[in-house]
Amino acid sequence: AQSVTQPDIHITVSEGASLELRCNYSYGATPYLFWYVQSPGQGLQLLLKYFSGDTLVQGIKGFEAEFKRSQSSFNLRKPSVHWSDAAEYFCAVADENTGFQKLVFGTGTRLLVSP
Amino acid sequence: EAQVTQNPRYLITVTGKKLTVTCSQNMNHEYMSWYRQDPGLGLRQIYYSMNVEVTDKGDVPEGYKVSRKEKRNFPLILESPSPNQTSLYFCASSLWDKGANEQYFGPGTRLTVT
Repeated sequence: AQSVTQPDIHITVSEGASLELRCNYSYGATPYLFWYVQSPGQGLQLLLKYFSGDTLVQGIKGFEAEFKRSQSSFNLRKPSVHWSDAAEYFCAVADENTGFQKLVFGTGTRLLVSP
Repeated sequence: EAQVTQNPRYLITVTGKKLTVTCSQNMNHEYMSWYRQDPGLGLRQIYYSMNVEVTDKGDVPEGYKVSRKEKRNFPLILESPSPNQTSLYFCASSLWDKGANEQYFGPGTRLTVT
C-alpha cells in the first residue's frame, strides 16, 4: 500500500525567506501526488498535483513542487514566503487499490511565518 | 459556485446520542468520501462511495455509517457516538474515471463527544 511521510511536524520561516517542505512517498510505479493547504479553521485547498510529464509542477499562490523518482520525493517550494502562507500543509498520494480515488495523506507540516 | 457543503460546522454532543453530519456537492461528482483529521495522524478515510447506492469502508469505518441515496448527498451517521470520535471531519468529492482526480473538500465539521 502506498504511504506518505512528511518528516517535519513544524517549520518556522522568516517572511520573505524561501521555503521547502519535504514529502516522501512509497509506491512502485509512477504515483499521483498532491499538495493541499489547510488554513486555520478552513478546509483543504489543492495547491498542485503531479500525474505525469514535467517533474516540476507549478501551483497556485506561487508554490511549486518537484517530483524526484530516484529519491521518492515530492517537495514543495516557494521562493519568498508571505505571512498569509502560515498554515498546515499536507502531501498526499492517490491509492492504487481504490482506482486512485482515495487519498493517503501524510501527517502534515505546520508552517509558522515569523516577521 | 462549485462547492462541497457540510452541516453542521460545529457540534458538541453526548455519548450515545445519534447524530448525522450532512454533505452535499453541486458538481455532479460520482465519488464522495469522508475523512477524519486527528493531530499527528493526518487525514484518514472513513467511508467512500463510487456512485448512488455504492458505498464501501475506508481505513477507519468502525462506529460510522453512510448512505448514498442521491448523487449529490453523502451523509455520515454516528449511531452511538463515543469520545474517541471527537475529531474534525471532512467530506470530499471528485469525478470518477480512470486515474486520479482532484478531490474537492468541504469546510469541515468539528465534532466533540463528551
